[in-house]
Amino acid sequence: SQKIEQNSEALNIQEGKTATLTCNYTNYSPAYLQWYRQDPGRGPVFLLLIRENEKEKRKERLKVTFDTTLKQSLFHITASQPADSATYLCALDVTQAGTALIFGKGTTLSVSS
Amino acid sequence: GAGVSQSPRYKVAKRGQDVALRCDPISGHVSLFWYQQALGQGPEFLTYFQNEAQLDKSGLPSDRFFAERPEGSVSTLKIQRTQQEDSAVYLCASSRRDRGYEQYFGPGTRLTVT
Repeated sequence: SQKIEQNSEALNIQEGKTATLTCNYTNYSPAYLQWYRQDPGRGPVFLLLIRENEKEKRKERLKVTFDTTLKQSLFHITASQPADSATYLCALDVTQAGTALIFGKGTTLSVSS
Repeated sequence: GAGVSQSPRYKVAKRGQDVALRCDPISGHVSLFWYQQALGQGPEFLTYFQNEAQLDKSGLPSDRFFAERPEGSVSTLKIQRTQQEDSAVYLCASSRRDRGYEQYFGPGTRLTVT
């Protein structure tokens, strides 16, 4: 069955540093991969979508890479701020189911000042 | 504009009771999704609608779970004869189209079955 692993449950970094979060998957070749941010008590908020034929996508301080050979996506936040503290979820587009997104468990990022 | 709204935000049910959870998607969004999120886990897909058609219900955990979207806008997720293992946050999301588009999530309904 499809399995998604996000590198760690928690990541602690200092303000100003670059946070790098990892998403690895097995047993599937997704056409799209998405990253979401979730704050406690709230629903996930969409951040970035990257397609299988794209290697990298950027949005302000965010950068996502997608390596379909390694079956891995990296999510980077540069010049991190305490306000970036949240749980970050990666999600794969599961074509067999039609449109279902399969989510990882998430990585909780804490940025200290 | 208004985002996805869900009601109630919190629901406590006694085991064996039926519950109904409502989702109001973003106006004009064709696709609507329901997810279940347990504590410390990512959301898990339950079911998907395109307009009023339920195209995928492969994630519904049992026949006690039923979802509908009769007019292609508001959706209701119904759980019959609730069990303790049904306790979770139920998230609704909508999207302009189906594949390859971002999903907009509501705040969720936290269901606690006692």
